[in-house]
Amino acid sequence: DAGVTQSPTHLIKTRGQQVTLRCSPKSGHDTVSWYQQALGQGPQFIFQYYEEEERQRGNFPDRFSGHQFPNYSSELNVNALLLGDSALYLCASSFSGEEAFFGQGTRLTVV
Amino acid sequence: AQKITQTQPGMFVQEKEAVTLDCTYDTSDPSYGLFWYKQPSSGEMIFLIYQGSYDQQNATEGRYSLNFQKARKSANLVISASQLGDSAMYFCAMREGWGGGYQKVTFGTGTKLQVIP
Repeated sequence: DAGVTQSPTHLIKTRGQQVTLRCSPKSGHDTVSWYQQALGQGPQFIFQYYEEEERQRGNFPDRFSGHQFPNYSSELNVNALLLGDSALYLCASSFSGEEAFFGQGTRLTVV
Repeated sequence: AQKITQTQPGMFVQEKEAVTLDCTYDTSDPSYGLFWYKQPSSGEMIFLIYQGSYDQQNATEGRYSLNFQKARKSANLVISASQLGDSAMYFCAMREGWGGGYQKVTFGTGTKLQVIP
């Protein structure tokens, strides 16, 4: 049984560009959450998708948007990249309030 | 106000000894869950243990146990018989709410544990 998979694992982008990160949840999971983890800090909640809708959102600007597909997979889009967007982006999936399982993350570097 | 507080930025423990990592939390939601995750240098968050707010007994998973003191709002992680592979960052996290699409998980700032041979 595959766990949570994220792609790509590493990415380098230039300031002002746009990026799309992808996440496939663990089998049987219907809820996907995205987190940003800056170096040396704990993960910060970006948003959560359930039934293809954004249900919860953290304190992140509208440049951060997402989508959930009928197969529960999800994308995180970031527009107009800033240097401060450089971080590890983690995707987590869960089912109805049970513990969340995380992917290995996508390390985004903005230059 | 911080919802999850981990006051120990770094900890050392001798191999085969037990260690306690502290976590306090703050919520007004009667339904919540507390998690501990391990994050090795590779970056992946590894789920260790879960305690629900209505659980009567402390959670245990192998060498991991969670010392849940609801009145004091603390959820300390105890690792018994430490191993070199336990060296990593450890994060305490809290889920508020219940059910699909209604959970928001807040993480603490983490504790870096180093196991000494």
